[in-house]
Amino acid sequence: KNQVEQSPQSLIILEGKNCTLQCNYTVSPFSNLRWYKQDTGRGPVSLTIMTFSENTKSNGRYTATLDADTKQSSLHITASQLSDSASYICVVTLSGGSYIPTFGRGTSLIVHP
Amino acid sequence: DAGVTQSPTHLIKTRGQQVTLRCSPKSGHDTVSWYQQALGQGPQFIFQYYEEEERQRGNFPDRFSGHQFPNYSSELNVNALLLGDSALYLCASSLWGDPATNEKLFFGSGTQLSVL
Repeated sequence: KNQVEQSPQSLIILEGKNCTLQCNYTVSPFSNLRWYKQDTGRGPVSLTIMTFSENTKSNGRYTATLDADTKQSSLHITASQLSDSASYICVVTLSGGSYIPTFGRGTSLIVHP
Repeated sequence: DAGVTQSPTHLIKTRGQQVTLRCSPKSGHDTVSWYQQALGQGPQFIFQYYEEEERQRGNFPDRFSGHQFPNYSSELNVNALLLGDSALYLCASSLWGDPATNEKLFFGSGTQLSVL
């Protein structure tokens, strides 16, 4: 079972609408959680990074939240644009010296005009 | 300031062959990690190199090997290719240190490997 689960698997929205992507993880002990945007055929690009002590982080129209107690994170996209069409990947990294990040499978977002 | 560069961008091989992929890290970075991303999946960690040594390794067979050079660039070698090795291979660079202080991994655009 994947230790980082993302939902929904795919999402279609109209340009200008808001949306929220979910990430649940079981990775422990937890160091940080990152959200990446990956365009088709390209490498992922970092959007936000949060440690266990942070519960929200914004980057322009992207806002990530973290609840370390329930091991849930969300990525909220405001006023979506066509260029937001991409895969959004949640990544959790362990603490304690073992640097092996665990990637979710991603949520595929399509923004229609 | 050049980011992470990977070559080649696309590659077609047949089963049983060997392949070498190359990566140059972002300027100022000293650590290189390699990932395999199958279609529709998230990237899977292969291994990480720092100071020319493999520091961490994911759950991949020893057909997957690597090397880091004194200029921090890196190679990924895969021997005895299988159909299942077809994937996007991503290289990421960073600064060595505690992951909690490692703000970002910078990824290259990847090498798309097709095994026929």
